[in-house]
Amino acid sequence: EAGVVQSPRYKIIEKKQPVAFWCNPISGHNTLYWYRQNLGQGPELLIRYENEEAVDDSQLPKDRFSAERLKGVDSTLKIQPAELGDSAVYLCASSLGDGLGEQYFGPGTRLTVT
Amino acid sequence: GENVEQHPSTLSVQEGDSAVIKCTYSDSASNYFPWYKQELGKRPQLIIDIRSNVGEKKDQRIAVTLNKTAKHFSLHITETQPEDSAVYFCAAGGYQKVTFGIGTKLQVIP
Repeated sequence: EAGVVQSPRYKIIEKKQPVAFWCNPISGHNTLYWYRQNLGQGPELLIRYENEEAVDDSQLPKDRFSAERLKGVDSTLKIQPAELGDSAVYLCASSLGDGLGEQYFGPGTRLTVT
Repeated sequence: GENVEQHPSTLSVQEGDSAVIKCTYSDSASNYFPWYKQELGKRPQLIIDIRSNVGEKKDQRIAVTLNKTAKHFSLHITETQPEDSAVYFCAAGGYQKVTFGIGTKLQVIP
């Protein structure tokens, strides 16, 4: 079984530029998460999807961040414009959504904003 | 929302010794407490979890205990090995959403 796939793995951009991250969850997983992990910190939830519906986006900085999961499968997280403080690892995770709880993480995208 | 505190932030043990990592949480409604291991440059992976109707759970060399009254839970690793070296995250919440602690960097010294 393929795991959660993310691309790109690394991205370096200048501040004020846009950037997008892509995630393909494990097949059949209804719940998809986007997290931001700063160096030396735990993952912080940005947004959670149940199928194509964003059910928790309270921590998403909506002035510059947007996300979509149009068909309830893969998802894209976008930042426009990027700021220096956005440098972090962006992790995508998925779970079955059947109440068992386990989240499976992707390898993450390491973003560096210069 | 939920607030999870984790300590220590770093922990060094000799190979073969035990390691204990402790977490506290704030939301009494939390009923799911997973632990994730993240090796350097890799993704977090679930190693063990416990639900609120259970006080202790074991899986080979790792165990987790939960005290709902005090709102704290702990990870115990016995007979540590060099491959246990990693960052360990506790988390608390419900089955669909958890809040993570800041992590504990465990170093097992051969």
